[in-house]
Amino acid sequence: QVQLVESGGGVVQPGRSLRLSCAASGFTFSSYDMHWVRQAPGKGLEWVAVIWYDGSHKYHADSVKGRFTISRDNSKSTLYLQMNSLRVEDTAVYYCARDPLLGSDWYLDYWGQGTLVTVSS
Amino acid sequence: QSVLTQPPSVSAAPGQKVTISCSGSSFNIGNNSVSWYQHLPGTAPKLLIYDNNRRPSGIPDRFSGSKSGTSATLGITGLQTGDEADYYCGTWDNSLSSGVFGGGTKLTVL
Repeated sequence: QVQLVESGGGVVQPGRSLRLSCAASGFTFSSYDMHWVRQAPGKGLEWVAVIWYDGSHKYHADSVKGRFTISRDNSKSTLYLQMNSLRVEDTAVYYCARDPLLGSDWYLDYWGQGTLVTVSS
Repeated sequence: QSVLTQPPSVSAAPGQKVTISCSGSSFNIGNNSVSWYQHLPGTAPKLLIYDNNRRPSGIPDRFSGSKSGTSATLGITGLQTGDEADYYCGTWDNSLSSGVFGGGTKLTVL
């Protein structure tokens, strides 16, 4: 069965870095685009980034552009989110999710349980 | 401020029907497909509708989706207390070159 397991969350000070991982299993990881989505406390879902199945294209939300970088290692079936220059407003539960459509059109059919990132001094 | 506009809340009695709207523009809904998600606190979001009106296997036909122009709608019939959740629409925005979600709609089943 499809499984997505996020890890790497925790408490970090503003300005510091953190790398999230999402371990995928139960499907051919290299055939799917993958996304990160987050939800800040008391807020709605916010799309963060997408990476195409082969890593050839990456897109990031304006709110994280230049600070966060999505990447993947298809040999390890793992998705990453490198988060630099973290801000208090980046505090959120971060979800990774699978996208069966290749290209810009998307929908997310499987989601991980999420990992909490808290940015606080 | 979300690119896609949803009502903050909707409510209806058990057994009734409710619709949730998602309004966008030609940059997003007008030229891309829409998906809908159900989110209960502390759980992973769940896909309800994809490609504007298609249901994944396992999603009951009480849930339906439609799209017209730059707006999309999620319909839920035969409301159950278990349907109480937050609902989100999502699509791609060609102008932003990013995915976008609506602000979310909290459904209360009275």
